[in-house]
Amino acid sequence: EPEVTQTPSHQVTQMGQEVILRCVPISNHLYFYWYRQILGQKVEFLVSFYNNEISEKSEIFDDQFSVERPDGSNFTLKIRSTKLEDSAMYFCASRILAGGVTGELFFGEGSRLTVL
Amino acid sequence: DAKTTQPPSMDCAEGRAANLPCNHSTISGNEYVYWYRQIHSQGPQYIIHGLKNNETNEMASLIITEDRKSSTLILPHATLRDTAVYYCIVRGPMNTGFQKLVFGTGTRLLVSP
Repeated sequence: EPEVTQTPSHQVTQMGQEVILRCVPISNHLYFYWYRQILGQKVEFLVSFYNNEISEKSEIFDDQFSVERPDGSNFTLKIRSTKLEDSAMYFCASRILAGGVTGELFFGEGSRLTVL
Repeated sequence: DAKTTQPPSMDCAEGRAANLPCNHSTISGNEYVYWYRQIHSQGPQYIIHGLKNNETNEMASLIITEDRKSSTLILPHATLRDTAVYYCIVRGPMNTGFQKLVFGTGTRLLVSP
């Protein structure tokens, strides 16, 4: 079964450092999402991406965050200057366009970011 | 977004049916009920969705009341691997637009031997 893959599975970084989290969505999917989950809290929407541009972003997704689809297969989330409160599990998700399918989101296994 | 209310936790014996309720009294006519689950901090996993009719797939059944103000997810024969947080989410059709999912706190289901 096709799946969304994320790397790294766990990254530890120092506060103020830049971090790039990578995702390979399912190959025929066209909508891409990033969510995060702080330990013990809800899964929170960060951003959605379609046709090489952001379609929606939450208030969490401020100027220190950016997303990119650099090569047609990867979908990246960059945090420019990490803060302690960025420590969380980050989930990438993708879904197919329309066409009579359920349109459900497929999530990756997540990248755990620890900021020290 | 229509809001949902779920019990924070439930227990179920292995092999028995798990019935997870969800209230969504403010649901609009074109909004669907989606169920996802999250097993121990893994990525959320789609289970099932429905509009007004009851639905069944290989994972679960979804029973939606006639007034659509509540629904029940049924896992017919729960296994230990079904221990997870189950999210009931109400949203417009997922095959249109950029519809994001908004997760609540869900129901933590514990399946015991």
